[in-house]
Order: sequence, then structure tokens, then C-alpha cells
Amino acid sequence: EAQVTQNPRYLITVTGKKLTVTCSQNMNHEYMSWYRQDPGLGLRQIYYSMNVEVTDKGDVPEGYKVSRKEKRNFPLILESPSPNQTSLYFCASSLGGGAGYEQYFGPGTRLTVT
Amino acid sequence: AQSVAQPEDQVNVAEGNPLTVKCTYSVSGNPYLFWYVQYPNRGLQFLLKYITGDNLVKGSYGFEAEFNKSQTSFHLKKPSALVSDSALYFCAVRDFGLGSSASKIIFGSGTRLSIRP
Repeated sequence: EAQVTQNPRYLITVTGKKLTVTCSQNMNHEYMSWYRQDPGLGLRQIYYSMNVEVTDKGDVPEGYKVSRKEKRNFPLILESPSPNQTSLYFCASSLGGGAGYEQYFGPGTRLTVT
Repeated sequence: AQSVAQPEDQVNVAEGNPLTVKCTYSVSGNPYLFWYVQYPNRGLQFLLKYITGDNLVKGSYGFEAEFNKSQTSFHLKKPSALVSDSALYFCAVRDFGLGSSASKIIFGSGTRLSIRP
């Protein structure tokens, strides 16, 4: 089944403890992206990647890191999480980075930072 | 800078009636517009998109959207609502960033659609 998977689905952590949220897609997609969803704000793009080893900042990259060493994986790293990073996070992928491609979303990761 | 606005936080419609979820956009170049739906505890699912061509775009689950360039709008519509259409709907626009071949994506704040039996 074609899908985007994320792990973990739920995570509660403490301020400053490094964490990684994994994202993997099995559709051979070039483009991958991370979003956070907050009430009243919709989805905001954190980072995106056109292809392997190519990443770029979205609108809210502060406090996050990403890497794209393999085509299928795009982990999101929080080196020192803070409570304002409590949010619902989505990974997404699309066939290409061109403007006409729709995205496929993972199921989401709900992160709470205390 | 590109932007998307969904002016209604919530839309309430009786089952069987037509529904409209509004979206307006602002881009510097040609707009590439999308609608996504989010059901509870799920990721977003693609509904439909406008790239070029016919202003009326048809998508999944009987939804359609009308692109209006003069009003910079891309409203989502359905002739007859179902209770199962109740969900959170997002409009999105893609445009190429300056100096980059990759496109950023901007989402609206979302509209909660509630269909009463």
C-alpha cells in the first residue's frame, strides 16, 4: 500500500531532551516536507526537501533540523525542544517539487513538550 | 508574498443542501490551488486541484471547486451535502520561491464543515 508513515504517533517529552520523529514514504517521491498544525493557524511548513541531500527552510524552521540522506526518509529533529513546539506534526511527500503536484500526508505525530 | 485565506472558521449545512467552503488567495505568479480534507485523527487527504484550463475542477467524493481569477477565489462546492462530509477542510496554494526551483506551500487556517442530519 502506498503510504507515508510517521513514528511515533504520540510523544510526551521534557524541555531540552533531544528527539527525532521519523518519516518514510514508499512511493519513490522526490519531494518531502514537514508541517506543524496549530489551532487557528492551519498548517505551517517547517522544512522541505526537493530530493536527496537538498533541503530548504519553510516558514517556521526555528528550533528544527532535518536531513535527507535517503530518498524515502525525512526525519525531523528537535535538538532542544521547548513547550512552544507542542503541536501536531505532519510529514508529506509528492512526486515532484513542481507546483502542480499534490501531497500525500502521514497520519501525524502529536508532540507535547512539558 | 503568497497567502491563502479561509474567511469562515465553521460552516453548518443541513444534509442534502448544497455547500460552499470559501477560499481566497494571493500569489505573485500563476496560482496552483489545492483542497485537502482532514477527518478526525487522520492526516490530510487530497481532494482536488487547479493547475490550468477549465475553471471548474471536479474532485473526490463529489466535490468540485471553481477558480475565479478576477476575484482570486477558489471556493469548494458540493451540490448535496452528506453527514459523512463533516470534516476540516484546507485550501492551499503553491508558488515557486524566489531563487529556488522548489515550491513552497501555504495552507489556509482551515474551515470546519458540519453537516446536520
